[in-house]
Amino acid sequence: RKEVEQDPGPFNVPEGATVAFNCTYSNSASQSFFWYRQDCRKEPKLLMSVYSSGNEDGRFTAQLNRASQYISLLIRDSKLSDSATYLCVVNTYNTDKLIFGTGTRLQVFP
Amino acid sequence: DTAVSQTPKYLVTQMGNDKSIKCEQNLGHDTMYWYKQDSKKFLKIMFSYNNKELIINETVPNRFSPKSPDKAHLNLHINSLELGDSAVYFCASSQDSGATTDTQYFGPGTRLTVL
Repeated sequence: RKEVEQDPGPFNVPEGATVAFNCTYSNSASQSFFWYRQDCRKEPKLLMSVYSSGNEDGRFTAQLNRASQYISLLIRDSKLSDSATYLCVVNTYNTDKLIFGTGTRLQVFP
Repeated sequence: DTAVSQTPKYLVTQMGNDKSIKCEQNLGHDTMYWYKQDSKKFLKIMFSYNNKELIINETVPNRFSPKSPDKAHLNLHINSLELGDSAVYFCASSQDSGATTDTQYFGPGTRLTVL
């Protein structure tokens, strides 16, 4: 079983739609959680950290469910510029090692 | 200003050759990393250095040798290149090591193609 699993998609949604991605992780000792965004042929960039109580950054909302070991990302009012691959990332306590999921591809169309 | 830079951006070479990729960060970070992203887009850590000291060494063939001349630079040398080494190699840096919340900043990647 992969340490971090995501639905690869693609998710094709119209502008203005709300879309949600889920991610599951296998190591219950995982401590830190992130969503990174990777545009085509570019480097990954941090989108947002995910906190236990859930957190919001503009149109983006991240949730963590430790009991079920999953993380979610909700994007409201999708924009064309949101088209990218969204990487779920997990870090186990006291290591530098980020474990990346293979990403979920989002395509927003006009 | 480029925070994490890598050279070259593209590298095409024959099997069996030896090549190097260079990485530099001007963020003043203590920790640097090498990741490999394969054709299936799976991004996996290879090495991590903190203040020139190796702290993570994943199961990577010993044909891959990282070198950190100072904390702002982390180079990757690959001997006897194989077809399976074709991938995009990303360098990254973060402020500290062992700090699980530190953001990692990635370089633009080096696309290596082995023929």
